[in-house]
Amino acid sequence: EAGVTQFPSHSVIEKGQTVTLRCDPISGHDNLYWYRRVMGKEIKFLLHFVKESKQDESGMPNNRFLAERTGGTYSTLKVQPAELEDSGVYFCASSRGGVFQGNTIYFGEGSWLTVV
Amino acid sequence: GNSVTQMEGPVTLSEEAFLTINCTYTATGYPSLFWYVQYPGEGLQLLLKATKADDKGSNKGFEATYRKETTSFHLEKGSVQVSDSAVYFCALRGDDKIIFGKGTRLHILP
Repeated sequence: EAGVTQFPSHSVIEKGQTVTLRCDPISGHDNLYWYRRVMGKEIKFLLHFVKESKQDESGMPNNRFLAERTGGTYSTLKVQPAELEDSGVYFCASSRGGVFQGNTIYFGEGSWLTVV
Repeated sequence: GNSVTQMEGPVTLSEEAFLTINCTYTATGYPSLFWYVQYPGEGLQLLLKATKADDKGSNKGFEATYRKETTSFHLEKGSVQVSDSAVYFCALRGDDKIIFGKGTRLHILP
């Protein structure tokens, strides 16, 4: 069974440009999460999809970030325009059921974003 | 709100040394607690977990005990190896998401 896959693994863009990160969850997992780790800080929750619906987007930092999950399969996270403080590692995770229900959450390898 | 505090790194030890990475938490109720690990170039992996007070999670020689009275979940290993070099994250399950600490980078010298 394939794990959670993320693309690109690394990206270097200039301030003001746009970047789109993609996450493919494990097949059959309705729950998809985005997290971010800015250098030296904790891994912070961004948002949670259940199928194609946003269950919780309380962690999205501002309106430069847009997440979508059309069709309830893969998800994209777009940053437009990118700022220097957006640099970090973006993790995607998925689970079959909700984490609160005790389901195991599986993380991808992360997309490393550097804004210069 | 829910939060996790873990010791600042980096931690540098010699091979076969004893390891402790401290972790304390703040939460309403009794959340499940976790340790995740990120090896160089890899994704986050669940290392161990404990779901209730006095539970001990263990895996790959690592252990952590859920201490309700001290709200702690310290990670320990009796004899570390070079291959244990990684970043370790303490975490709890709050609401319907995982809440992480800042991570502790561990570097083991041969």
